[in-house]
Amino acid sequence: EVQLVESGGGLVKPGGSLRLSCAASGFTFSSYSMNWVRQAPGKGLEWVSSISSSSSYIYYADSVKGRFTISRDNAKNSLYLQMNSLRAEDTAVYYCARGYDYGDPGSDYWGQGTLVTVSS
Amino acid sequence: QSALTQPASVSGSPGQSITISCTGTSSDVGSYNLVSWYQQHPGKAPKLMIYEVSKRPSGVSNRFSGSKSGNTASLTISGLQAEDEADYYCCSYAGSSTFGVFGGGTKLTVL
Repeated sequence: EVQLVESGGGLVKPGGSLRLSCAASGFTFSSYSMNWVRQAPGKGLEWVSSISSSSSYIYYADSVKGRFTISRDNAKNSLYLQMNSLRAEDTAVYYCARGYDYGDPGSDYWGQGTLVTVSS
Repeated sequence: QSALTQPASVSGSPGQSITISCTGTSSDVGSYNLVSWYQQHPGKAPKLMIYEVSKRPSGVSNRFSGSKSGNTASLTISGLQAEDEADYYCCSYAGSSTFGVFGGGTKLTVL
């Protein structure tokens, strides 16, 4: 059974940093691209970042480019999102999701999400 | 990176069919057959319903179907059931510089 479990969310002050983690199990992690998608309270889904299976290709939404860094450790079956210079508008539930095909931002399995709140 | 355009809400009675549109541009929906659709119930994670415009993942009811014409993709749900009441989102590949974009979401109400 595919499982994705996010962790690392919490309350952080504007300008602060946070590192999200996603532990994957139930599939060959190193064979799949991975995505981060967020959802602000009461709002819609927003694609944040994607990373290919070997980390060769990385993409970011304009809203986070230069502040967020996606990475993965295939030996540890883990995905990460380093978030710096956080703003109030980054407040959201962050979902880790498995990409079903290289070059497609779509996701076939999703974690339950971790809440990031940016507030003073 | 402008979001794809979806109607804010649609509604239908049990047994009826509804269609949710997802309008993009020639830079995303219109140029690639990489549109996916997601169902999200309150407080839950999204669930993939359609990928690559019209393909259904294993386990998804054949009451859900997808299509595309020009810059607009569509999700059709036939034989509406109470459990279909949820938010629905489309997503499209938008080229190597932008990569991914979601629609604003559509709230489906089953009357």
